[in-house]
Amino acid sequence: AQKVTQAQTEISVVEKEDVTLDCVYETRDTTYYLFWYKQPPSGELVFLIRRNSFDEQNEISGRYSWNFQKSTSSFNFTITASQVVDSAVYFCALSEAEGSARQLTFGSGTQLTVLP
Amino acid sequence: DAGITQSPRHKVTETGTPVTLRCHQTENHRYMYWYRQDPGHGLRLIHYSYGVKDTDKGEVSDGYSVSRSKTEDFLLTLESATSSQTSVYFCAISDPLAGFIQETQYFGPGTRLLVL
Repeated sequence: AQKVTQAQTEISVVEKEDVTLDCVYETRDTTYYLFWYKQPPSGELVFLIRRNSFDEQNEISGRYSWNFQKSTSSFNFTITASQVVDSAVYFCALSEAEGSARQLTFGSGTQLTVLP
Repeated sequence: DAGITQSPRHKVTETGTPVTLRCHQTENHRYMYWYRQDPGHGLRLIHYSYGVKDTDKGEVSDGYSVSRSKTEDFLLTLESATSSQTSVYFCAISDPLAGFIQETQYFGPGTRLLVL
């Protein structure tokens, strides 16, 4: 069975600090996808990134970066120079790559609060 | 943004009454999903559909039924609502066979359901 663990329930930082959100996953599949979604206070779910299990190259997008390490089954998310608008709940998710259903297994989320 | 709408956006109902939530998409995606979001659990899959009249159960399907008579609409029905079904319900769409972007699940705005 697949499982995603986000051990950090809540994180609070002061604006301009860097913050890393941890995600650890479990799966028996050899190929899979990993995702991060953002849920701002308005409630919608916003897709941020998808990574394939066969591509361990880290990715940077503006102030966001993702560190994928298969050896530790982790897919961590770093926000550099955090801003108040980054305050949200962030979800890590995992899906199979074989088969077409691609059901998502979510972690329980990390509430990030960025203080001015 | 993916063209996904959910109706109603908010609903208050009483225990024992039937409730139907609607998800409508304009993207012509094959796959549609219903999730529920509860504190401490992230999002959990209720049911999904892989085509018109083709549906399957997810992790938390007890007490729910679904129907899909048209590509664009996916209905979630609570036959006899219970207080444990108070939650936020999200619809998602994807098309895993259509390409990189379409493989990712994109979510609707959510429906807040309160069962008294």
